[in-house]
Amino acid sequence: GAVVSQHPSWVICKSGTSVKIECRSLDFQATTMFWYRQFPKQSLMLMATSNEGSKATYEQGVEKDKFLINHASLTLSTLTVTSAHPEDSSFYICSASDTSYEQYFGPGTRLTVT
Amino acid sequence: GQQVMQIPQYQHVQEGEDFTTYCNSSTTLSNIQWYKQRPGGHPVFLIQLVKSGEVKKQKRLTFQFGEAKKNSSLHITATQTTDVGTYFCAGRFNKFYFGSGTKLNVKP
Repeated sequence: GAVVSQHPSWVICKSGTSVKIECRSLDFQATTMFWYRQFPKQSLMLMATSNEGSKATYEQGVEKDKFLINHASLTLSTLTVTSAHPEDSSFYICSASDTSYEQYFGPGTRLTVT
Repeated sequence: GQQVMQIPQYQHVQEGEDFTTYCNSSTTLSNIQWYKQRPGGHPVFLIQLVKSGEVKKQKRLTFQFGEAKKNSSLHITATQTTDVGTYFCAGRFNKFYFGSGTKLNVKP
């Protein structure tokens, strides 16, 4: 149980385009979903926290207009990287949490902006 | 600002040797979680510690939470090659702050 999927697993896009990443909790209802960014050989950096049906809470330094987060249902959250640039290339990981304290992580999405 | 420091960054051990990674916070934490990330994989939850001085064991893994709730450690006894990966702590203040991780390599 407690499986989180992410789609796509990897994506290459051109500079200036937008990319949407989906995060789904497959067998539980996720009241909270987290979006992280992980640079090579570095730790996870929390970008934002989203609760179903409400606006996401962004961490300091994360542009909310660039990284659009939608948590429309208890099983789906999306992250849209708008007007992507090469510096946005990274590994994006979501995690989902139900009423317990555990975070269940998705497999991650590798974004490369050319 | 609030951050969680984790040491060492890397650890290479011979199979059968023990391993310890440490996390330290500048602020008292409400709880701390530990995760393991295998090479090419995603973080997997190991455990959460909440109480001051708490000690929990999972087979060969021993987790401790300091009395002041500012530090924590993960100790692996008699490492095996299956223990290879990066171990992250995540301390919760008003949100989760992830440590930089300790990458463990176990030589058979």
